[in-house]
Amino acid sequence: EPEVTQTPSHQVTQMGQEVILRCVPISNHLYFYWYRQILGQKVEFLVSFYNNEISEKSEIFDDQFSVERPDGSNFTLKIRSTKLEDSAMYFCASSDAGADEQFFGPGTRLTVL
Amino acid sequence: AQTVTQSQPEMSVQEAETVTLSCTYDTSENNYYLFWYKQPPSRQMILVIRQEAYKQQNATENRFSVNFQKAAKSFSLKISDSQLGDTAMYFCAFMKQGSNYKLTFGKGTLLTVNP
Repeated sequence: EPEVTQTPSHQVTQMGQEVILRCVPISNHLYFYWYRQILGQKVEFLVSFYNNEISEKSEIFDDQFSVERPDGSNFTLKIRSTKLEDSAMYFCASSDAGADEQFFGPGTRLTVL
Repeated sequence: AQTVTQSQPEMSVQEAETVTLSCTYDTSENNYYLFWYKQPPSRQMILVIRQEAYKQQNATENRFSVNFQKAAKSFSLKISDSQLGDTAMYFCAFMKQGSNYKLTFGKGTLLTVNP
């Protein structure tokens, strides 16, 4: 069964460093998302992406964040200058139609020291 | 803005018994979707069940069913014949129709199924 994959599973970085979190969505899906979950808190929407552009972004998704689909398979989330409060689990998701089931990846745990 | 509330942080149930997880939401929208997602200890979230707000009939998927009360803005999940593999965090989620499909999640309910 096709699934969403994410790499790395765990990323440790120093405050102020840039990180790129990678996702490979399900191949025929057209809609892509990033969510994050700070430990002990609810899963929060960051951004949705369709037709090679951002559809919607939350207030969390400030200028330090960017997303890209550099080729036909990868979907990346870049944080330019990480802060301590960026430490969280980041989930990628994809769907083949907007209101359909979103398939989630296993997540990348980002730790900012 | 939409909010989703899950008032039960933790619940437990004996294997083979039935358990109901609560979810309420607040919205002024008339057209939307509601979801229950399950996040097992391995942490990959998977969809359990989906409900369209325009449908009066409650969604059912095998042992999982919902009680959707639109007027009360309530969307509870019933798990029948609970199995050990049902142990997981369960998230209720809301999606506004035409919202660029973002999901708004509740805080989750940790369900433990005891042998």
